[in-house]
Formats: sequence, C-alpha cells, structure tokens
Amino acid sequence: EAGVAQSPRYKIIEKRQSVAFWCNPISGHATLYWYQQILGQGPKLLIQFQNNGVVDDSQLPKDRFSAERLKGVDSTLKIQPAKLEDSAVYLCASSLARPSTDTQYFGPGTRLTVL
Amino acid sequence: AQSVTQPDIHITVSEGASLELRCNYSYGATPYLFWYVQSPGQGLQLLLKYFSGDTLVQGIKGFEAEFKRSQSSFNLRKPSVHWSDAAEYFCAVGLNTNAGKSTFGDGTTLTVKP
Repeated sequence: EAGVAQSPRYKIIEKRQSVAFWCNPISGHATLYWYQQILGQGPKLLIQFQNNGVVDDSQLPKDRFSAERLKGVDSTLKIQPAKLEDSAVYLCASSLARPSTDTQYFGPGTRLTVL
Repeated sequence: AQSVTQPDIHITVSEGASLELRCNYSYGATPYLFWYVQSPGQGLQLLLKYFSGDTLVQGIKGFEAEFKRSQSSFNLRKPSVHWSDAAEYFCAVGLNTNAGKSTFGDGTTLTVKP
C-alpha cells in the first residue's frame, strides 16, 4: 500500500513570506498528525485531526500557523508569515482509527529553510 | 504534562555487540510508550510500543524494550547490532487518554563500528 505522501520535499523562503505544505495520508486512515522537527530535537506535535475535526492543536502557534483537513483526507499546513525559527522538517503522519492507539505512519517530511 | 529524557546523545557500538538505549519518562499516570527509528533519508518508523500487559515488549528488527514503572524507564535493547542499525532513535510517551498526542525525546544517534 502507498505510504504517507508529502510535498514539497524541500522549500526555501525568506522570512515574512508564506509557505504551505501538503500531506496525503494512507488511504482509510482517519487520524492525521503534523509535527515540527527542529534539527537536533525530536518531533513536536503541532496538530492532530480525527477525520476533518481537530483533536488537539495545543502546541500550534496559531498567530502564524494554520492547518486544515478538508473532507477528512488531504491536509495542508500553512505558515504566514514565516520566521527564522520556523526552519525545521515538517512531518505528516497518519493512523487508522480512534482512540489513536494505532501505529502512526510517517511521511518523508518537508524540509523548510527560512532565510 | 508528560516529558521524555534520552540521556545519551550519541552511542557507538561495534557490530555484533549488544545495545541498550536509555529512556526515562515523566507522566502522572500509566503511560503509552514508543520507540521509533529514523534513518538518513527515511521517515520515522515505529519499532515497538507498550500500552499495557507484559512489561517486556518485542518489536521489529530484533529490538525489545522493558517498561520499568519503578524507574520510570523504557530502555531499548538489541542483543547483536548490525551495521544497518546505525540511525537515530527516539523514545516517546503518549497520553493514556490519547496515545497519539506523543511527546518525543531528543533522540540518541547510534553509530556502528565495523
């Protein structure tokens, strides 16, 4: 079966610009996650969706980050405006069902560099 | 809030030697615990997980981990390391109300000497 797809794989932008990342989860997976992984650190959960509803977004910097999951399938994560400290790898993961004890499958990530 | 500490930033072992990676967690209830591996150019992959029951958990690629509640630890072990095991390893703790809301440690990088 196809894995979690993410695009783009790499993105370089200037600070204060906007950027968007796309994620397509494994078919049939109800739960979708976005993580931020800064170099030298473990992934940090930004937002968790169950179908098209938000389960947890307590660590999402809502003044500049937004995410949506239309129709409970694909998801986009947007940063507007970007700051230097947003340079990181953004990982998308999906799992089969609630209560999310199922295995999370991770995509390859999008590496963002903010100059 | 939960937290995870991986005390060893970098470990080097010889091929064929045994391996133990340490993980200590902080959480006010029975945790859900995970070990992931991240190889260069590849995504994170789940090695094993503990939710309840037997405290010795078997995973993929010959790895195992033992949950010790008294020590708040979940150390990862492998009896004989292969060169392909060189990677970064992350321990994570999830809420018992939402295992998906996991907090990750900062990882341990494993180097395997020939």
